[in-house]
Amino acid sequence: SQELEQSPQSLIVQEGKNLTINCTSSKTLYGLYWYKQKYGEGLIFLMMLQKGGEEKSHEKITAKLDEKKQQSSLHITASQPSHAGIYLCGAPPASGTYKYIFGTGTRLKVLA
Amino acid sequence: NAGVMQNPRHLVRRRGQEARLRCSPMKGHSHVYWYRQLPEEGLKFMVYLQKENIIDESGMPKERFSAEFPKEGPSILRIQQVVRGDSAAYFCASSPGSSYNSPLHFGNGTRLTVT
Repeated sequence: SQELEQSPQSLIVQEGKNLTINCTSSKTLYGLYWYKQKYGEGLIFLMMLQKGGEEKSHEKITAKLDEKKQQSSLHITASQPSHAGIYLCGAPPASGTYKYIFGTGTRLKVLA
Repeated sequence: NAGVMQNPRHLVRRRGQEARLRCSPMKGHSHVYWYRQLPEEGLKFMVYLQKENIIDESGMPKERFSAEFPKEGPSILRIQQVVRGDSAAYFCASSPGSSYNSPLHFGNGTRLTVT
């Protein structure tokens, strides 16, 4: 079955610094979602990537999908305390299945 | 434009009691998923339902757990005779379909504590 591995597992950065979170799939990616989860709350959908090489931005967050490497990266520019939380990548169901799967998350802390 | 609504937000049960978790999907969404999240762990798939039908319950424990999504009303995840190991955050998510271009939209979860 497909698995998503995220790295790093946790990250502490100083406010204003850039950072990158990676999500690697054990199988071919046919699409990828990024979510943010604030501590104790639900997941907020950030963006969806569907094609290899596709890049999307939402405010200061940019994500890219590299299908050949079965990988996606999420980059935050000039981080702010409001970016703190858990970032999870998710993949749509494989053909013939119904399960969306998720990575274990990257815990981001931004120091003011 | 309400999102996915889950209640209660917090639920405390003693061992052996029943827990009922409710989920109302986003308007226009007919696909409901339940996931469990343990502290410091990822989201684990439990069950996928469409109106009046359980499509995939391969992630549900064989005993004590059940789910339904009736024609009218919210989806219900029921845990009978709860044990301490059931303590977790339970998230409901909905989508208009189940293909790659239908991301899941999540509720805020129900945090179950079994004492």
